[in-house]
Amino acid sequence: AQKITQTQPGMFVQEKEAVTLDCTYDTSDPSYGLFWYKQPSSGEMIFLIYQGSYDQQNATEGRYSLNFQKARKSANLVISASQLGDSAMYFCAMRRMDSSYKLIFGSGTRLLVRP
Amino acid sequence: DAGVIQSPRHEVTEMGQEVTLRCKPISGHDYLFWYRQTMMRGLELLIYFNNNVPIDDSGMPEDRFSAKMPNASFSTLKIQPSEPRDSAVYFCASTTPITGRTEAFFGQGTRLTVV
Repeated sequence: AQKITQTQPGMFVQEKEAVTLDCTYDTSDPSYGLFWYKQPSSGEMIFLIYQGSYDQQNATEGRYSLNFQKARKSANLVISASQLGDSAMYFCAMRRMDSSYKLIFGSGTRLLVRP
Repeated sequence: DAGVIQSPRHEVTEMGQEVTLRCKPISGHDYLFWYRQTMMRGLELLIYFNNNVPIDDSGMPEDRFSAKMPNASFSTLKIQPSEPRDSAVYFCASTTPITGRTEAFFGQGTRLTVV
């Protein structure tokens, strides 16, 4: 069975500094996709970044990068130059690369950016 | 594109009443998902459709829950009768395999309160 674990319920970071949000996963499937979503206080789920299990390079999207360590089964999100607007819940998710496209989510990490 | 549209945004109803949540997926997306988010259980997949056909409803908690997708641009999630423990945020999401990444695009959610 697939499982996503986010061990940091809450984190603080100073504005303009970088922060790493941890995510580990468990799957026996050789092919899978890893996603990060942001949920601000307004409630919507915003897609941030994607990493495929066979991708050789770590994914990057602007200030977001994904530190993918396949052997350790970790997919940590790195946010560089934090901004006050980055304060939100962050969810790591995974899906098998089969036809189901179902996402399984972790419990989330609440990030608070301090001015 | 307007994104995934859900209605209503907020719903307050009395225990025992029927509740219908609505979703319009992104045009061209052939997968539609219904998720439920609670503090206790996080984000759970309830059911998903492919080309308007329900594929996996194993996440539907009870027979009180039902979902339909009569056409490619509309889906409903119905709870009858509703109970206080159904109070949650219900998200609809859609995706397509065309991009290869298949990130799910979420609606704004419906916050349901059953009193």
